[in-house]
Amino acid sequence: NAGVTQTPKFQVLKTGQSMTLQCAQDMNHEYMSWYRQDPGMGLRLIHYSVGAGITDQGEVPNGYNVSRSTTEDFPLRLLSAAPSQTSVYFCASSRSYSPRDYGYTFGSGTRLTVV
Amino acid sequence: SQQGEEDPQALSIQEGENATMNCSYKTSINNLQWYRQNSGRGLVHLILIRSNEREKHSGRLRVTLDTSKKSSSLLITASRAADTASYFCATDGRRVRSKLTFGKGITLSVRP
Repeated sequence: NAGVTQTPKFQVLKTGQSMTLQCAQDMNHEYMSWYRQDPGMGLRLIHYSVGAGITDQGEVPNGYNVSRSTTEDFPLRLLSAAPSQTSVYFCASSRSYSPRDYGYTFGSGTRLTVV
Repeated sequence: SQQGEEDPQALSIQEGENATMNCSYKTSINNLQWYRQNSGRGLVHLILIRSNEREKHSGRLRVTLDTSKKSSSLLITASRAADTASYFCATDGRRVRSKLTFGKGITLSVRP
């Protein structure tokens, strides 16, 4: 029972490059989300999904795309990386479509540096 | 925008002492949650308290909620060096079921 798995753990990108951060969960959770964590800013919601085929924007969606073709996977795509996207990215899932009722299970994070 | 704000920003105590951390929020909530984050790791869910509850316990953790003051406190009793971590409160919005908003966190250091 792996929980929430994020890959890669570390990544360095050049400005303008694109990449996909992977997130997979094996708990059959309906709800999945992406947060970024920056020093002094706490965690900010990027995008979330309440089920396969359904996604919505969070607080800071610009520069990121998501899709949810299966219950298990929720990849985050950076379209054209910018230094402002240097951050630690966390994927989190919840057993219902409403994390307020059951809380999140978090992955271990992807530390991204854009140079 | 930040819904929950923790206080203090940093706390340093001796092993065996109790640690009290506070969270204040601005708008009405359904539930409030506390998470722990060890250095370089993801967040771990500690406890959830519903708006109709005033106090909840889990092991050495005690959480209180005062909806009239829009505040919550997390008490860790008989702290251990392994409790050294950052602690976050997370709140929902009464009309927004699908989003949790996190505070900036409290850094707790427990000295052996």
